[in-house]
Amino acid sequence: NAGVTQTPKFQVLKTGQSMTLQCAQDMNHEYMSWYRQDPGMGLRLIHYSVGAGITDQGEVPNGYNVSRSTTEDFPLRLLSAAPSQTSVYFCASSSMTSANTQYFGPGTRLTVL
Amino acid sequence: RKEVEQDPGPFNVPEGATVAFNCTYSNSASQSFFWYRQDCRKEPKLLMSVYSSGNEDGRFTAQLNRASQYISLLIRDSKLSDSATYLCVVKESSGDKLTFGTGTRLAVRP
Repeated sequence: NAGVTQTPKFQVLKTGQSMTLQCAQDMNHEYMSWYRQDPGMGLRLIHYSVGAGITDQGEVPNGYNVSRSTTEDFPLRLLSAAPSQTSVYFCASSSMTSANTQYFGPGTRLTVL
Repeated sequence: RKEVEQDPGPFNVPEGATVAFNCTYSNSASQSFFWYRQDCRKEPKLLMSVYSSGNEDGRFTAQLNRASQYISLLIRDSKLSDSATYLCVVKESSGDKLTFGTGTRLAVRP
C-alpha cells in the first residue's frame, strides 16, 4: 500500500492564481481531511469528508474548496491564492472504525508570492 | 485560551536522560487523547494513545489527569532518534475531528 499520497510536494503561486492540491489514499478509508500547518499555530483543519459525496468545513475553510467524488481522492482547491495561504498542507485519512489513528500524507509546501 | 496548549521548548537533553512533556486542554468534554510525533519537514505520525489509567509503550509512558485537564508524555533513556516535535492531540466526544497542539520540540544530544 502507498498509504496517503500528495502532489505536488512543492508549489509556488502568484497572488490570484488558482490550483488544486491532490490527495489520494489506497486504504479504503472513509474519513479524509485537509490541514494546514503554520509556525506557532499547530495543525488546523480546513475541510473534511466522512465519505464519498460528503464534505464539511473545518476550522479555517475560507478560500478553499473540496470535493469527494470517490473514496480514494480528496482534492483541495485554492480558488484565488493569497500570501496568507502560504503554508504546509497535509492530507490525512482514517477508518471510521479506528478514527483515532489518522494517517498523514507527506505534505505540500505552498508559497504564494 | 488555546484549546490545546503545549510548551514549545526546545527541550535539550543528553542521551540517556528522562524527559517529560505536559499538555493542557480546555474542553472538559474531550474524550480521547493522543501523542503524535513529527520529524523535521515530515508528516505527523501517531506515537501513542493516552488512556485514563495511563499506558506504557517501551520507553514511553503517557498519562491523563482529567481533573486538571492535562496529559503527559514521559520518555526514559532518551535516544538521538527521539529528537522530534511531539504533538498533543485531543478529540472531542462527538465526531472525528482532532485538535492539535503546536508541539514540543525535543533535541537529544550525544
